[in-house]
Amino acid sequence: EVQVVESGGGLVQPGGSLRLSCAASGFTFSSYWMSWVRQAPGKGLEWVAHINQDGSEIYYVDSVKGRFTISRDNAKTSLYLQMNSLRAEDTAVYYCIRDGGAAWGQGTLVTVSS
Amino acid sequence: DVVMTQSPLSLPVTLGQPASISCSSTQSLVYSDGSTHLSWFQQRPGQSPRRLIYKVSNRDSGVPDRFSGSGSGTDFTLKISRVEAEDVGVYYCMQGIHWPHTFGQGTKVEI
Repeated sequence: EVQVVESGGGLVQPGGSLRLSCAASGFTFSSYWMSWVRQAPGKGLEWVAHINQDGSEIYYVDSVKGRFTISRDNAKTSLYLQMNSLRAEDTAVYYCIRDGGAAWGQGTLVTVSS
Repeated sequence: DVVMTQSPLSLPVTLGQPASISCSSTQSLVYSDGSTHLSWFQQRPGQSPRRLIYKVSNRDSGVPDRFSGSGSGTDFTLKISRVEAEDVGVYYCMQGIHWPHTFGQGTKVEI
């Protein structure tokens, strides 16, 4: 069974940092590009970052460029999102997704507030 | 960025009746290989999104055949042939060819 499980969310003050992790199983992780998508409370979906199979191709939405870093460890079948200089507007549920949305995790909530 | 526009944003439906959601993009979603990267997602209340349709008209595994997708270029449609109670939720279209990938605003389907 294809599964992705996010972790690492929580409450952080503005300007703080957080690292999200996504553990993947049930598929050949190294064969798929992976992404992070977020959803602010009561709002729609926003694609945040994308990384290809070997990490050589990475894209970010403009609002997180220079602050967020997506990475992966194919040996550990894991995806990461390092989030620095967090802002209130980064408050959202962050989803780890595979391959254009073929598989989604349950999401991890990040709350940026003082 | 490519803007995805859905209509309607709210769709009252009747059980057993058909329903349709439209989605348009500000740029063509046709890839160099001829494929069109338009997907549809369903988000039931309190749940994560789930992909229903990819590349315009391909149903994901386990998706009931009452869901169908159609369209080309910049205009697309998701149809539910006979609405069931479990279809309540928000539906999003998404383009996956131009970065950043972008979603429509969402269409809330309610009985």
